[in-house]
Amino acid sequence: GAGVSQSPSNKVTEKGKDVELRCDPISGHTALYWYRQSLGQGLEFLIYFQGNSAPDKSGLPSDRFSAERTGGSVSTLTIQRTQQEDSAVYLCASSSTGQSNEKLFFGSGTQLSVL
Amino acid sequence: QQQVKQSPQSLIVQKGGISIINCAYENTAFDYFPWYQQFPGKGPALLIAIRPDVSEKKEGRFTISFNKSAKQFSLHIMDSQPGDSATYFCAASAQGGSEKLVFGKGMKLTVNP
Repeated sequence: GAGVSQSPSNKVTEKGKDVELRCDPISGHTALYWYRQSLGQGLEFLIYFQGNSAPDKSGLPSDRFSAERTGGSVSTLTIQRTQQEDSAVYLCASSSTGQSNEKLFFGSGTQLSVL
Repeated sequence: QQQVKQSPQSLIVQKGGISIINCAYENTAFDYFPWYQQFPGKGPALLIAIRPDVSEKKEGRFTISFNKSAKQFSLHIMDSQPGDSATYFCAASAQGGSEKLVFGKGMKLTVNP
């Protein structure tokens, strides 16, 4: 595809419900990142996938958050039992090989609102 | 603990003026310092980046200045235009580290016509 695609673009859910956010990275990119953008808090790293390696989950804020990447391409971020503090924009990014000095290509994000 | 500290949080400049955004870092292992630009409703996009082996990098109206001893770097936008109005994030990463970028909290720039 032309760029990183995320869906849905907006998600409104009730507290306690589970949500799934999807990311389609640029074709051929082996590295995939999830970040969370909260108002005034910048971009908070959540999880990083690189090829077939075990993901770096060090940024996940709680065990309610999980992510998977199937077939080295599409990724899904799942938030269980959502809380109001989970409201934020969830951004996905991909890069060609995952080297630290590589350009990240971001999607437009999913705006999550937990009522 | 915030690894990259960015200031100011917001800035308003007049068209044609100079916009300056500052960042400071603690981790001396950082060796890649990019700036990302984000427009409303869009994801951040790479604007310009620098490695610590140079003190300055210029691309068009955008210049990064890097001070390794002070562990600081800044973005200068010359001849600021209304189209530059966006949120700017500095970031840093370390080669051979966890390979993920650490971002500052961002600065909202408004350029008035």
